[in-house]
Amino acid sequence: DAGVTQTPRHEVAEKGQTIILKCEPVSGHNDLFWYRQTKIQGLELLSYFRSKSLMEDGGAFKDRFKAEMLNSSFSTLKIQPTEPKDSAVYLCASSSGGALEQYFGPGTRLTVL
Amino acid sequence: AQSVTQPDARVTVSEGASLQLRCKYSYFGTPYLFWYVQYPRQGLQLLLKYYPGDPVVQGVNGFEAEFSKSNSSFHLRKASVHWSDWAVYFCAVSMGSNYQLIWGSGTKLIIKP
Repeated sequence: DAGVTQTPRHEVAEKGQTIILKCEPVSGHNDLFWYRQTKIQGLELLSYFRSKSLMEDGGAFKDRFKAEMLNSSFSTLKIQPTEPKDSAVYLCASSSGGALEQYFGPGTRLTVL
Repeated sequence: AQSVTQPDARVTVSEGASLQLRCKYSYFGTPYLFWYVQYPRQGLQLLLKYYPGDPVVQGVNGFEAEFSKSNSSFHLRKASVHWSDWAVYFCAVSMGSNYQLIWGSGTKLIIKP
C-alpha cells in the first residue's frame, strides 16, 4: 500500500501570496490531520477531518489557514495570504477509523520570503 | 488537561551504548501511548505503541518502551544504538479513539562514533 503522499516537497512563496499544499492519505483511512512543525513550537495541529467532516479547525490558525477534504482520498491546505512566520514544515497524517496511530507523509517545507 | 513532557531536548550516546529517552505524561485515566521517530527531512514514523496490557512493548529496530502508571512514564529504551538511530524521537498520548494525539516536544538523539 502507498503511504501518505504530500506535494510539493518544497515551496517558496513571497509574502502575501496564496499557496496550496496537497495530501493524499493512505487508501481506506478516514481520519486526516494537518500539522505545522517548527523548532520553536514543535508539532501543532492545524486541522482534523473524520470521514471528510471537519472535527478540529486549529483555533489560532483559522483566519489564514483553510483545510479541505475534496474527497476521501485528497485534501488541501490553503494559506492565504502567506506571512514569513508561516515558514515551517507542514505534515499530513492519516489513520483508520478506531485506530489511534497516525501515518505521516514526508512533509512540505514552506519558506515565505 | 493532558500533557506530555520529554525533559531532554537532546541526548548524546556513543555508538553501541544503551539508550533511554524519557517521556512523562499527565492524564487521569487509561492512556494510549506512542513513540515516533523522525529522520532528517522525513515525516514521523511509528516506532511502537502501548495499548492497555503488557507494560513492556516491543517496537521496530530493537526499540522497546515500558509503561509505568505509578510514575506516569513511558520511557523508550534500546540496548545498543547504531549511527542510523540519529533522529528526533517524539512521545505522544491519547485518551482513546475519539481523541487526538497529544505530542511531546521531541528529543534529538545524537550518536557519537
